[in-house]
Amino acid sequence: ETGVTQSPTHLIKTRGQQVTLRCSSQSGHNTVSWYQQALGQGPQFIFQYYREEENGRGNFPPRFSGLQFPNYSSELNVNALELDDSALYLCASSSFSGVAGELFFGEGSRLTVL
Amino acid sequence: AQSVTQLDSQVPVFEEAPVELRCNYSSSVSVYLFWYVQYPNQGLQLLLKYLSGSTLVKGINGFEAEFNKSQTSFHLRKPSVHISDTAEYFCAVRPISGGYQKVTFGTGTKLQVIP
Repeated sequence: ETGVTQSPTHLIKTRGQQVTLRCSSQSGHNTVSWYQQALGQGPQFIFQYYREEENGRGNFPPRFSGLQFPNYSSELNVNALELDDSALYLCASSSFSGVAGELFFGEGSRLTVL
Repeated sequence: AQSVTQLDSQVPVFEEAPVELRCNYSSSVSVYLFWYVQYPNQGLQLLLKYLSGSTLVKGINGFEAEFNKSQTSFHLRKPSVHISDTAEYFCAVRPISGGYQKVTFGTGTKLQVIP
């Protein structure tokens, strides 16, 4: 059983740039959600994708967007980067019909915005 | 909306001593409850979950938690900690009903096990 994998693991960007983070979900999972974990904080829900559509969103501006592909992998895109976007971005996969709310996390992509 | 409060940001404890990590939550709807662990430079791993039934839940690595609905608490306990338990622990909740699986996390408690 392949776990959740994320890439890249680390990256550095400057203010105003754009970034794309990638996630391959665990085998058999059809739902992907993204979380932002700032230093010293708990993860904050960004959005969730199911059947290639966004079906839930947290309190994040539209410059945070995503995609889910037919193979259930996903991308998180952030435009016009700000310093406060520096964080660990976690992808979590789950089965919409599976055990309620059980998320399987990747190891994250650590983004630094200078 | 839901919120999760972990009052202790850091908990130092000697090896083989017992530990309790506190979690309180607030929600206007019924929720599922979870504890996740995060080791340095890793993602989150599920320790245990409460969905329904017995309020005492056992998880991996010898951890257990007790759901107290009247006090809206879900404290995590281990009778004897090991050095390898040093990590950050997150309490989380998710509404039982709803079309998507938004999980709300607390700010985490760093458990430091002292040899």
